[in-house]
Amino acid sequence: AQSVTQPDIHITVSEGASLELRCNYSYGATPYLFWYVQSPGQGLQLLLKYFSGDTLVQGIKGFEAEFKRSQSSFNLRKPSVHWSDAAEYFCAVDLLNRDDKIIFGKGTRLHILP
Amino acid sequence: DTEVTQTPKHLVMGMTNKKSLKCEQHMGHRAMYWYKQKAKKPPELMFVYSYEKLSINESVPSRFSPECPNSSLLNLHLHALQPEDSALYLCASSQGEAGTTLEQYFGPGTRLTVT
Repeated sequence: AQSVTQPDIHITVSEGASLELRCNYSYGATPYLFWYVQSPGQGLQLLLKYFSGDTLVQGIKGFEAEFKRSQSSFNLRKPSVHWSDAAEYFCAVDLLNRDDKIIFGKGTRLHILP
Repeated sequence: DTEVTQTPKHLVMGMTNKKSLKCEQHMGHRAMYWYKQKAKKPPELMFVYSYEKLSINESVPSRFSPECPNSSLLNLHLHALQPEDSALYLCASSQGEAGTTLEQYFGPGTRLTVT
């Protein structure tokens, strides 16, 4: 079945440390890929997206993500996290089956230690 | 401008009440969405409107009734809800060629509590 997996439910990093959040998808072709961030009680904000082309994509707030076809992965990275990055992060895919739907992963909660 | 607005921010309603949630976007997007999100869970798709027509209904109970009065507005009418319907209700919109989702832009949500 087509799915999106975020293997880490919670991740804790120290402020200033680097961050990598993992995302794997299960789908025969390359879907469109997204990362969203959600602060508590807020809506989702699009961090970045991958449709085609350069496999390293830059997003807002200093985030980047790398698409690796061989690993069916789209991991999110940031070189140095700030306390304000504490939030829930969702990976999502559009399976390009023209049904106006995207599939969300279960999310990763990021905690930042001072 | 990539803003989707939602009103109200918070809503408390009894199980016999009728209320409506409103969503608006002025990005010219042709698809609009309603999601329900419970705590510590990803958003669950409820409805999709494409070109002002209901294109997806994810087996949502009839106590939730969507409406798309025009291309910029989306409403969710609520009637006879249950306490388990308490959640954050998110509206989103997306642009693209017919049948292509591309990225969705989300509103801030309405926090609904059913008493």
